[in-house]
Amino acid sequence: GAVVSQHPSRVICKSGTSVKIECRSLDFQATTMFWYRQFPKQSLMLMATSNEGSKATYEQGVEKDKFLINHASLTLSTLTVTSAHPEDSSFYICSAMIVGILDTQYFGPGTRLTVL
Amino acid sequence: GQQVMQIPQYQHVQEGEDFTTYCNSSTTLSNIQWYKQRPGGHPVFLIQLVKSGEVKKQKRLTFQFGEAKKNSSLHITATQTTDVGTYFCGYSGAGSYQLTFGKGTKLSVIP
Repeated sequence: GAVVSQHPSRVICKSGTSVKIECRSLDFQATTMFWYRQFPKQSLMLMATSNEGSKATYEQGVEKDKFLINHASLTLSTLTVTSAHPEDSSFYICSAMIVGILDTQYFGPGTRLTVL
Repeated sequence: GQQVMQIPQYQHVQEGEDFTTYCNSSTTLSNIQWYKQRPGGHPVFLIQLVKSGEVKKQKRLTFQFGEAKKNSSLHITATQTTDVGTYFCGYSGAGSYQLTFGKGTKLSVIP
């Protein structure tokens, strides 16, 4: 089946630093990747939709300058949390799909970010 | 945008009992998807329903999509401890692949 990986699985950083999270589709080329954020005991909230080779589309209320998304290839999308603050601590999950072929999203294992 | 209400928020059952979670929308949905998220894990796709009145089964799991396509349910027969987790419904708008999730139902199974 379709496998999506994320790296790192956990990261702890100091306030003010930037953190990059990678999302890779391992056995398929994803036309579209999504980034979600999940606070404890809450649902997944879509942050942005990322298509290879084009700018990401951000959801309302998500700062694009703070959450930089780069979708450099059909197998890799990165989310960089810039100048992280404690309120950015969360579980970040990516998903990938092939529009028209794999019409369901396959989720990565998630990255637990803790900002001190 | 559309919202889906998922109930109950929490459910504790004795192993062997049945469990049902409901997903309700005030407007017609083009589709409904169900996901399971184990504690500490990521959402795993279970199923997608698109047709009015559709019923699909996966072993002990039964998924239904209402006739009006405004509600859906997931029913687990004879729960097992491996069923523990949070079950989310989600939907995408017509012509879109972006998912909007309900708040989830957290299932605990008491052995």
